[in-house]
Parts: sequence; C-alpha cells; structure tokens
Amino acid sequence: EAGVTQSPRYAVLQEGQAVSFWCDPISGHDTLYWYQQPRDQGPQLLVYFRDEAVIDNSQLPSDRFSAVRPKGTNSTLKIQSAKQGDTATYLCASSLFPNTGQLYFGEGSKLTVL
Amino acid sequence: GDSVTQTEGQVALSEEDFLTIHCNYSASGYPALFWYVQYPGEGPQFLFRASRDKEKGSSRGFEATYNKEATSFHLQKASVQESDSAVYYCALSDTSSGSWQLIFGSGTQLTVMP
Repeated sequence: EAGVTQSPRYAVLQEGQAVSFWCDPISGHDTLYWYQQPRDQGPQLLVYFRDEAVIDNSQLPSDRFSAVRPKGTNSTLKIQSAKQGDTATYLCASSLFPNTGQLYFGEGSKLTVL
Repeated sequence: GDSVTQTEGQVALSEEDFLTIHCNYSASGYPALFWYVQYPGEGPQFLFRASRDKEKGSSRGFEATYNKEATSFHLQKASVQESDSAVYYCALSDTSSGSWQLIFGSGTQLTVMP
C-alpha cells in the first residue's frame, strides 16, 4: 500500500513569492490534514478536510494561506506572499473517519523563505 | 485550550540504558493520548495510544500508562538501542469536544550512543 505522497520535498523562496504544496493521501482515506512544523517544534494543525469539505481551518492564516481538496482525494496547500516566519516543514497526513488518532504522515515539504 | 508539555528537549543515553520521557497534558475533556516518533527526513509515525485512565499503550518495547490524576503519559523503555535515536512526540486528541485533531507537544530528541 502506497503511503502519503507530498511534493515538492524542498522549496526555497524570496519573501513575497508564492508556493504550492501537493499531497496525495493513502487511497481510501477520507480525512486529510495539513500541519506546519517549524524547526525543532511539534506539528501544528493548519486545516483538515473530510472528503472535500473543510472541517476546521481556524488555524490557517487565511490572508495568505489557502487549502483545497476539490474531489476529496488530492489536496493543495498554497502560500501567497511568503514571509520568513513561514519557514517550516509542511506535513500532510491522512486517516479514516472515525479517527482513532492514528494519522499517516507524508515525508513533508520543507520550505525556506529568505 | 488543550495542550501537551514535554519537559525534556533532549535526552542522551547509552545503549541498554533505561529511558523515561515525561509528558503531561492539560485538557478540558477526557482526551486520548498518543506517542509518535519522527526519524530524520520523515513524517511522524504512530507508536501507540491509550484512551482511558490506567490503560497501558505499548509498541516496539516502548510503553506508557495513562494517569488521569497526574495528567501524565510518560514514555518508557527498559533498554534502548542506537536505532531508537529519533524525536518523540506526545499528543492528545480530545474527541469529547467533537474535534478530531491531534495536538502535539514540542518533542524530545533522543540520542542513543553505542
């Protein structure tokens, strides 16, 4: 069984540039999460979906961050006008509902904003 | 809001030493508790969970017991190996509040020397 796939693995931007991260969850998993993990910190939830619906995006900086999952499978997280404070690894995870708390994470996309 | 505290940022041991990593939580409801492990360049991996008081979770020689009175879920292993070197995260999920998100602690870097 294929795991969670994320791309790109690395991105380096200047402040003000935009970037998109893509996630392909485990086949059949209806719930998809995006986490932000700053260096030497634990993952922090940004947004999560069940199928194509956003369940909780309260931690997503809505003015510059957006996330979609239009067909309830793959998902894209976009950052517009990146800031140095956005430097972090962006982790995608998936699970089946009801969630027992066992999330399956991808390897992450490491973003550096200069 | 709910939170998880890991007091040790780094732990250094020799092979066959006994490991304890401390985890305390704060939650308004009755959360499920988890340990995840993260190896360099990878996303966090589920280790085990416990969902009620005095329940013991275990996997790969690691174990932790849910202590509701002390609000703790300390990770232990009797004899660590060099391959156990990784970052360990304690996490909670307070499903009684209707949320399925995982809240992670700040992590503990375990380094095991041969």
